[in-house]
Amino acid sequence: GAVVSQHPSWVICKSGTSVKIECRSLDFQATTMFWYRQFPKQSLMLMATSNEGSKATYEQGVEKDKFLINHASLTLSTLTVTSAHPEDSSFYICSATSEGPYEQYFGPGTRLTVT
Amino acid sequence: KQEVTQIPAALSVPEGENLVLNCSFTDSAIYNLQWFRQDPGKGLTSLLLIQSSQREQTSGRLNASLDKSSGRSTLYIAASQPGDSATYLCAASSGTYKYIFGTGTRLKVLA
Repeated sequence: GAVVSQHPSWVICKSGTSVKIECRSLDFQATTMFWYRQFPKQSLMLMATSNEGSKATYEQGVEKDKFLINHASLTLSTLTVTSAHPEDSSFYICSATSEGPYEQYFGPGTRLTVT
Repeated sequence: KQEVTQIPAALSVPEGENLVLNCSFTDSAIYNLQWFRQDPGKGLTSLLLIQSSQREQTSGRLNASLDKSSGRSTLYIAASQPGDSATYLCAASSGTYKYIFGTGTRLKVLA
């Protein structure tokens, strides 16, 4: 149980275009989902927290107009990188949590390369 | 603001050794402390979760302890194997349940 999927697992896009990444909780309802970014050989940095039906809460330094997060249902959150630039190339990982011990279950990640 | 640090940053040991990875956090008001492993280019694999009311958790050759008063957690790996080679991350969650990740320890177990 407690499986989180991400789609796509790998995407290449051209500079200036937008790309959407999906995060799904497959076997539980996720009250809260988180989005992280990981640059090569660095740790995970939290970008934003999203609750179903509410606006996402962004961490300091993360541009909310560039990284659009939508948490439309208890099983789906999407991250849209708008007007992507090469510096947005990174590994994006989502996690989801439900009520209770609030353990976070992590998706397998999406590698974004912007050319 | 919670800060999580891991020492050492990198570690290389011969196969069969027992080893300890350290994780320190600045805010003792944590909710969970979780250990993960990450293989190169891959996502996270959860190893152990310690809730704030617990002192330790064990799974196979792994044992994680938590000392909130000193702001420390340790991950003990017994009889290390080459397959244990990976980056190990700890993460602490606070009142808002968001995780703050440590800087990671890159472990290499030599055959």
